[in-house]
Amino acid sequence: DAKTTQPNSMESNEEEPVHLPCNHSTISGTDYIHWYRQLPSQGPEYVIHGLTSNVNNRMASLAIAEDRKSSTLILHRATLRDAAVYYCILRGPPGIMNRDDKIIFGKGTRLHILP
Amino acid sequence: GAVVSQHPSWVICKSGTSVKIECRSLDFQATTMFWYRQFPKQSLMLMATSNEGSKATYEQGVEKDKFLINHASLTLSTLTVTSAHPEDSSFYICSARPLDRNTEAFFGQGTRLTVV
Repeated sequence: DAKTTQPNSMESNEEEPVHLPCNHSTISGTDYIHWYRQLPSQGPEYVIHGLTSNVNNRMASLAIAEDRKSSTLILHRATLRDAAVYYCILRGPPGIMNRDDKIIFGKGTRLHILP
Repeated sequence: GAVVSQHPSWVICKSGTSVKIECRSLDFQATTMFWYRQFPKQSLMLMATSNEGSKATYEQGVEKDKFLINHASLTLSTLTVTSAHPEDSSFYICSARPLDRNTEAFFGQGTRLTVV
């Protein structure tokens, strides 16, 4: 699996935007960039994914650099419930039923939200 | 969204006994499920890939005779920790992916195992 690099931890004030960076300089042309987050004492949950274009959904936005070697997960208005570990992961393209399509987690970024 | 359910959410067992953890995909079928283990303040570590109708594939360093995996149907995989010891105490998490798409993965809520 191509590796990703994230800061160990970040802090943000409540109700302010948060930008979580991820470096993936060895990304291949077919790798998708996925973000998951893990709230305390829970399993991970999907946040967003993208290939080249920036993506928006109800949870967050994903900004992907033009060379695809880095990306940024944007939480537009952080709340205390967004305090979690955020994982940036590279995965193969959708639609290919690959039994080896396992998700390998890095250390992620622990996001602290200050009230 | 799709739901993956684990049972039990937590379990305490005596050293030397076996514990079974179930992982069910509630509203989709999954030929493949994944089992992870997570120690406090650490990331998830993939233990094995559970394949419906065939043997599980274990990651390097994971004892297949200690962590028995059965994937008997398209909606159920079980992980049995045999002869559990205190060092097996951990947070166990399963994941499943719907048959018809390969986008996001869905995770169970986790099972906290404490061996005393």
